[in-house]
Amino acid sequence: DTAVSQTPKYLVTQMGNDKSIKCEQNLGHDTMYWYKQDSKKFLKIMFSYNNKELIINETVPNRFSPKSPDKAHLNLHINSLELGDSAVYFCASSQDRATGGQGDKNIQYFGAGTRLSVL
Amino acid sequence: DQQVKQNSPSLSVQEGRISILNCDYTNSMFDYFLWYKKYPAEGPTFLISISSIKDKNEDGRFTVFLNKSAKHLSLHIVPSQPGDSAVYFCAASRYIYNQGGKLIFGQGTELSVKP
Repeated sequence: DTAVSQTPKYLVTQMGNDKSIKCEQNLGHDTMYWYKQDSKKFLKIMFSYNNKELIINETVPNRFSPKSPDKAHLNLHINSLELGDSAVYFCASSQDRATGGQGDKNIQYFGAGTRLSVL
Repeated sequence: DQQVKQNSPSLSVQEGRISILNCDYTNSMFDYFLWYKKYPAEGPTFLISISSIKDKNEDGRFTVFLNKSAKHLSLHIVPSQPGDSAVYFCAASRYIYNQGGKLIFGQGTELSVKP
């Protein structure tokens, strides 16, 4: 029973299209994240939601819009896809947004990733 | 500005020997550090972590050491097994009010354990 699942696993699309990636966690966690792993293999945070509230929004183009219908789901919608959006996108969740000293709440659990290829 | 760096992109070790993976960071405000392991086509899996108030944490074959003065941490795997072959990511977290702990990842070290 997968703890953090994201769909689809692979996504191939044309430049200019709009696409969505879905993520669900069954761990009962309050906080969810989207990360992007680029061609240089760096994992960089894009967004974080805590109980459906946006708490982290890195400098991501506004073509990317996260949506959290409930605390178990965090979807990522991307408008007007560009070649540079090609990457692997990972969803993750943690028990809560971490507070100082409560290290366990920092532990994030990741989905298997969605490989997006924009042609 | 890469705040967490893993300067060795790859490491090859013989089965049964020790694997030592290194990580350096620049931000002294980081208060929690984690190691993740990643197999191809899978997501990163949490391995072990350490709080900034400690200098060592051990879990079975895995030990993480933290040297705050040098802003350096390392992961020791003893004994190494072929199944340990994977990419290992170091990550650091700093609590920011109202944002929680945001993880900053290094670029990973690919460990190959040869039988």
